[in-house]
Amino acid sequence: SQQGEEDPQALSIQEGENATMNCSYKTSINNLQWYRQNSGRGLVHLILIRSNEREKHSGRLRVTLDTSKKSSSLLITASRAADTASYFCATAMFSGGYNKLIFGAGTRLAVHP
Amino acid sequence: NAGVTQTPKFQVLKTGQSMTLQCAQDMNHNSMYWYRQDPGMGLRLIYYSASEGTTDKGEVPNGYNVSRLNKREFSLRLESAAPSQTSVYFCASSEAGGAEYFGPGTRLTVT
Repeated sequence: SQQGEEDPQALSIQEGENATMNCSYKTSINNLQWYRQNSGRGLVHLILIRSNEREKHSGRLRVTLDTSKKSSSLLITASRAADTASYFCATAMFSGGYNKLIFGAGTRLAVHP
Repeated sequence: NAGVTQTPKFQVLKTGQSMTLQCAQDMNHNSMYWYRQDPGMGLRLIYYSASEGTTDKGEVPNGYNVSRLNKREFSLRLESAAPSQTSVYFCASSEAGGAEYFGPGTRLTVT
């Protein structure tokens, strides 16, 4: 079963626009992570937000976390064609002595020049 | 630093054949993982190793075995490949509670 569910499944925007992706989850977490995957490549870690944090920034990325609503959002500002990729949220819980990550199905972002 | 490396990049097997996917990391991470990714889906954990000498089942372990050879290396073995194991396999490593670093993946087709 997948803990994180991304919304929308697909997003198509023009360069320069902002892109917002959402993630909802079901159980308590230690942290939530966002990853990017370019077509045919491995996942690349973007940002980690801990359960006691509400917002985090990294360059053009802004991540929010609302633990009361069990949801997170990833905002990419001033998007570029190079941002075209799939974006995954992953919820982290300590289970069986290790930090277990559960991935959602991802949002496919297409940024058109 | 190479990060996480995987071999091979591509593999085609016939049903019933066996093979081992290799993974190595040079970041001195304690934890290593094997995932599979099927079209339109996120990653599903097959096996993980929280530290050298330990391995545990993940969400979809059936049909697979693993070996944590040393701190750097974590291999995944398919004893008798089935078409349902056609997928892209990713290895990852991390420190406890932190980000996972992924390899480039192995694209496996079982005919």
